Parts: sequence; structure tokens; C-alpha cells
Amino acid sequence: DADVTQTPRNRITKTGKRIMLECSQTKGHDRMYWYRQDPGLGLRLIYYSFDVKDINKGEISDGYSVSRQAQAKFSLSLESAIPNQTALYFCATSDLNRGLDNEQFFGPGTRLTVL
Amino acid sequence: DQQVKQNSPSLSVQEGRISILNCDYTNSMFDYFLWYKKYPAEGPTFLISISSIKDKNEDGRFTVFLNKSAKHLSLHIVPSQPGDSAVYFCAAVFSGSRLTFGEGTQLTVNP
Repeated sequence: DADVTQTPRNRITKTGKRIMLECSQTKGHDRMYWYRQDPGLGLRLIYYSFDVKDINKGEISDGYSVSRQAQAKFSLSLESAIPNQTALYFCATSDLNRGLDNEQFFGPGTRLTVL
Repeated sequence: DQQVKQNSPSLSVQEGRISILNCDYTNSMFDYFLWYKKYPAEGPTFLISISSIKDKNEDGRFTVFLNKSAKHLSLHIVPSQPGDSAVYFCAAVFSGSRLTFGEGTQLTVNP
């Protein structure tokens, strides 16, 4: 079984709709991250969380919000989707306590298309 | 401002030859560097890393070289295999910061 799972894997939605992407992990890691990947731009950090009560903005947080419902769950919401949010979204985890803070473990990704 | 750059979007090599993927950075505070590999329809996976106190780190067929004065790192794969065909991302971090990724390089290893 995958250690980091993302649902849905693919989603097509319309402009203006609210959408939630979900991430779950069984690795027991304390830190979780949301990235988006766009062609030619690499991976850019949207939000990250060091524990359940901690939420931090990344470099491209506008238009997004997150919720850390439990240590194992971290959700990303698009309040009102727009076409330029069409991208591949990745959730990742890391664990400072095990000295693995820099090495992040990624989920399989969610391909989101906003029409 | 792209602090980590991979200037080659793609690289094609023959099986058995050496693959060299390059990465440049601008922030001199970066003190730890990583390479990730990504196959289609999968998330990136960690490949190899290097601390700024070293200039080389080797793991099997994979070696990462760091040239701090040039703010440049490279990943060498020897010998290259078709299964190495993937997108490779370099990433950099310094204490208290988050990972900053490059744009990625698509490596194709031809049989």
C-alpha cells in the first residue's frame, strides 16, 4: 500500500467551483506539504504544515486554502477555481524527528483541469 | 526569481553511456542539495543528496558533485540504463527554509 495517497487522482471542474484535494499518509510523519507542478516551472510550494495546529503559506498560496485535520491528513481547497490553476498537484511528507526533514516523500499526484 | 535553475529541459543519451544533469543556484545560503526522480503518473522520489560541506556523494551508479564557488551541482549516472528515463529535479534548502526546486530535466536513455 502507498504511504502517501491522494484523492482524487484526476479531476475536471469548471471555473468558479470550489474543489478539495485530499492527502493521507501512513508514514507517521509530522510535516506535510502541498505543491503544484507546471510545465517548465518545476514544483512550487503552496502550503505546508509542521503539525496539526501549524499552517504556513508557501510561495504561491493565493487562491488556495488548507486544512490539517489530523497528523495523517492534509487537504487543499481551491475556493473558486480558475483556469490557471490547471496543474498537477502533489502532497508530500517529511519527518524532522527522524532527521528526514529535507527528504520529502511524495504522493502520486492529482491532475486538476479547470475549464 | 528562480533560485534553482536547470537550464536543460531535456537530455538524451545511449544506454551504457554517462548521463550528466546540471543544476545552478543563486542563493549562497543553500547548504543542502537533493535530486529527485519522477516517472510519469507518479510522484517524485528522492534519489541522492549532498551537504554543502562535501563536494561529492556517491550511491551506486549515481554521483552528485557540488561546486560551491560556481554555485553548481551535477548528477552523474554511470552507466545509464533505459529505466533511468525520467524527469530529474534538483532541489536546495538552507536551515529554516523550505525546499526550492528546479524546473526539471527530462532524461531519455535510448537502448
